[in-house]
Amino acid sequence: EPEVTQTPSHQVTQMGQEVILRCVPISNHLYFYWYRQILGQKVEFLVSFYNNEISEKSEIFDDQFSVERPDGSNFTLKIRSTKLEDSAMYFCASSEAMGLYGYTFGSGTRLTVV
Amino acid sequence: QKEVEQNSGPLSVPEGAIASLNCTYSDRGSQSFFWYRQYSGKSPELIMSIYSNGDKEDGRFTAQLNKASQYVSLLIRDSQPSDSATYLCAVTTQGAQKLVFGQGTRLTINP
Repeated sequence: EPEVTQTPSHQVTQMGQEVILRCVPISNHLYFYWYRQILGQKVEFLVSFYNNEISEKSEIFDDQFSVERPDGSNFTLKIRSTKLEDSAMYFCASSEAMGLYGYTFGSGTRLTVV
Repeated sequence: QKEVEQNSGPLSVPEGAIASLNCTYSDRGSQSFFWYRQYSGKSPELIMSIYSNGDKEDGRFTAQLNKASQYVSLLIRDSQPSDSATYLCAVTTQGAQKLVFGQGTRLTINP
């Protein structure tokens, strides 16, 4: 069964450092997403990406965040200057169609900012 | 603020019984409804989707949607210990791509 692949599975970084989280969505999917889940809290939407541009973003997705699809397969989330409160599980997801059929989530990257 | 509400539980059900999970949503424009299962430390896994009023069955799982009451539920028949997980309700609205999640209901199936 096709899957969304995320790397690394766990990243520890010092406050103020930049991190890049990587994702390989399912190959025939057109919509890509990043979500995060702080420990014990809800899964929260960060950003959606379609046709090589951001289509929707949340209030959380401020100027320290950026996304990129540098080639035909990878989808990345960059956090420019990490804060302690950025510590969370970050999930990449992809879908065939907007809002339909559910999304397939990757296994996640646990980001720990120290 | 568009909200999805779930009872956080824990909900404890004996093995073999029916587990009933409930979710309400505030946005009447919501169009697609999903149930995800999340094991501790793992990613959400899609188990059911429903788009129109009524029931939808898939194996031991039945999703129920009532748009007038803004209510969606998940029934798990013949509950197994492996069903112990957090169940997340999620919705999308017309024209929106994002999923809005509830806080999840932690379900424990007792052998």
